[in-house]
Amino acid sequence: EDQLVESGGGLVQPGGSLRLSCAASGFTFDTYWMHWVRQVPGKGLVWVSRINSDGTGTDYADSVKGRFTISRDNAENTVFLQMNSLSAEDTAVYYCTRGALEIFGLVTPHNWFDPWGQGTLVTVSS
Amino acid sequence: DIVMTQSPDSLAVSLGERATINCKSSQTVLNSSTNKRYLAWYQQKPGQPPKLLIYWGSTRESGVPDRFSGSGSGTDFTLTISSLQAEDVAVYYCQQYYSAPYTFGQGTKLEIK
Repeated sequence: EDQLVESGGGLVQPGGSLRLSCAASGFTFDTYWMHWVRQVPGKGLVWVSRINSDGTGTDYADSVKGRFTISRDNAENTVFLQMNSLSAEDTAVYYCTRGALEIFGLVTPHNWFDPWGQGTLVTVSS
Repeated sequence: DIVMTQSPDSLAVSLGERATINCKSSQTVLNSSTNKRYLAWYQQKPGQPPKLLIYWGSTRESGVPDRFSGSGSGTDFTLTISSLQAEDVAVYYCQQYYSAPYTFGQGTKLEIK
């Protein structure tokens, strides 16, 4: 079974930093793009960041650009989200999720998301 | 950024009846060279992560019941549940993956009438 398990969330003061981890299992991790999506409790889903399969390409939402850094360790089947300069607006559940692969001769990544981890709550408060 | 707008925000439907959720994108998510619609639908139940239902606008994910169907054009899309079951109570989101940032609709809360 393809599985993603996030960790690293918690309470942090404004201006602080936190590093989220997402451990993958059940699939060939180094083939897939990986993403982070966040959700303020009771609100909608917001895409945060993505990293390509070998870690050489990244992308960010404008709201986190320059503060968050996504990275991956393919040897450990883990993707990370380093979050700096946190503010109350970053309070949310952070989900790790996998992008899709289309395989018709060529392997083409697509950015619909499945599966999702259970999420880790980040609370930024003094 | 492509803005995704869902309607209605909430919906109450009787068991066994049809539920229809709409999603409109601020610009096309249709790749004209492949004729593929870069639109996905997700279901999120309370306390759970989202679950993929449909991609390419109308392709059901493996294991998703066939009462769920997706349709639409380049900017207007619909998720239809043909016969509502109690376990379908959830919030439903559309998402475009045509271009980054990969944006979601605000969600539609589906309840039993």
